[in-house]
Amino acid sequence: QKEVEQNSGPLSVPEGAIASLNCTYSDRGSQSFFWYRQYSGKSPELIMFIYSNGDKEDGRFTAQLNKASQYVSLLIRDSQPSDSATYLCAVTRAFGYALNFGKGTSLLVTP
Amino acid sequence: DVKVTQSSRYLVKRTGEKVFLECVQDMDHENMFWYRQDPGLGLRLIYFSYDVKMKEKGDIPEGYSVSREKKERFSLILESASTNQTSMYLCASRVGQLQPQHFGDGTRLSIL
Repeated sequence: QKEVEQNSGPLSVPEGAIASLNCTYSDRGSQSFFWYRQYSGKSPELIMFIYSNGDKEDGRFTAQLNKASQYVSLLIRDSQPSDSATYLCAVTRAFGYALNFGKGTSLLVTP
Repeated sequence: DVKVTQSSRYLVKRTGEKVFLECVQDMDHENMFWYRQDPGLGLRLIYFSYDVKMKEKGDIPEGYSVSREKKERFSLILESASTNQTSMYLCASRVGQLQPQHFGDGTRLSIL
């Protein structure tokens, strides 16, 4: 089984700071990479996706991909208490239709 | 916006019952998925469908079956519910293989 690894946290950052969430994956054939946010008791919500090496920015969020190192990250600038949630990293499998999900990193933004 | 609708938010059933969970998407997506999510285990893929009447087993298909008779609807069936199938069930859909999956609100199923 191909793995997606995330630090479970909790990662605690003060309001206004940058939160950095990291993810490593083992399947070298993965082509698409996704970040989901999940509030307690709710379903995952898509935040960002990235296909190419480098950075992709969307508002306060930046996704970074390094395929050589098999590493994906999500930066959240100007973190807000409403960003407190679990962040799931997901990558496509090299073969087939499914995604591999990490178990998520819990983020806590303190006022 | 993509809309994935799951028929129930909360469901309570008894051991041995046949249970149907329904999922409908309104975006003409080819691929649909069923996951369960349990504390400490993360999201686990049960079954997926890449087209009407086409299905493939995921990582944990035992005790489950699926049906996709129309493109917009994907049903998960618990043939004979057991207590270890108590979980949050999540349906997702996407337009194509490398595209993001979009999730429904989930069904919290309790088997007593």
